[in-house]
Amino acid sequence: EDQVTQSPEALRLQEGESSSLNCSYTVSGLRGLFWYRQDPGKGPEFLFTLYSAGEEKEKERLKATLTKKESFLHITAPKPEDSATYLCAVRFTGGGNKLTFGTGTQLKVEL
Amino acid sequence: EPEVTQTPSHQVTQMGQEVILRCVPISNHLYFYWYRQILGQKVEFLVSFYNNEISEKSEIFDDQFSVERPDGSNFTLKIRSTKLEDSAMYFCASRREADTQYFGPGTRLTVL
Repeated sequence: EDQVTQSPEALRLQEGESSSLNCSYTVSGLRGLFWYRQDPGKGPEFLFTLYSAGEEKEKERLKATLTKKESFLHITAPKPEDSATYLCAVRFTGGGNKLTFGTGTQLKVEL
Repeated sequence: EPEVTQTPSHQVTQMGQEVILRCVPISNHLYFYWYRQILGQKVEFLVSFYNNEISEKSEIFDDQFSVERPDGSNFTLKIRSTKLEDSAMYFCASRREADTQYFGPGTRLTVL
């Protein structure tokens, strides 16, 4: 069964302490991997789209990478305003245009 | 920057009542979606809509659900007879030709 798994479920960092979030996928044919940020009570906010292994995208303190089995969201020197839930979603062959989401990683960055 | 908007932000209804959730997608987008997120759970796909018809729907999207694009700007989700388990955040999303789906802020539906 096609599946998206994110780890860890929750992560607490000190301001400036870099780390990575993981999204592993077992889909029959990846047609796109998407990272979103979700603040409490809000809708997912688009961050990045990755299509092929080796691809990297960067925006401010965030960098997303993709391999054939997983994606990483690297957070460099995070700030408290980076605190949010980070969602990974995939489109896959045979899955039409819908996004299949993981359960997310809840990130808390403390001073 | 154009955004997807949704109304109302919070809807409270009695079990068995009909509700209509409204969305205004980004103006030049062509593909429209509804997702839902039960509290503490993952975002789940409900339905996609293109060229005035449903292009795909999930098992969740049964006969109690319907979607409509009544005019050139609105996209609605109707639940005919709400159940307790329909309580969730409902998100509308839209995209143009590229793959990226842009989400609205959501409507919190509470069924009592």
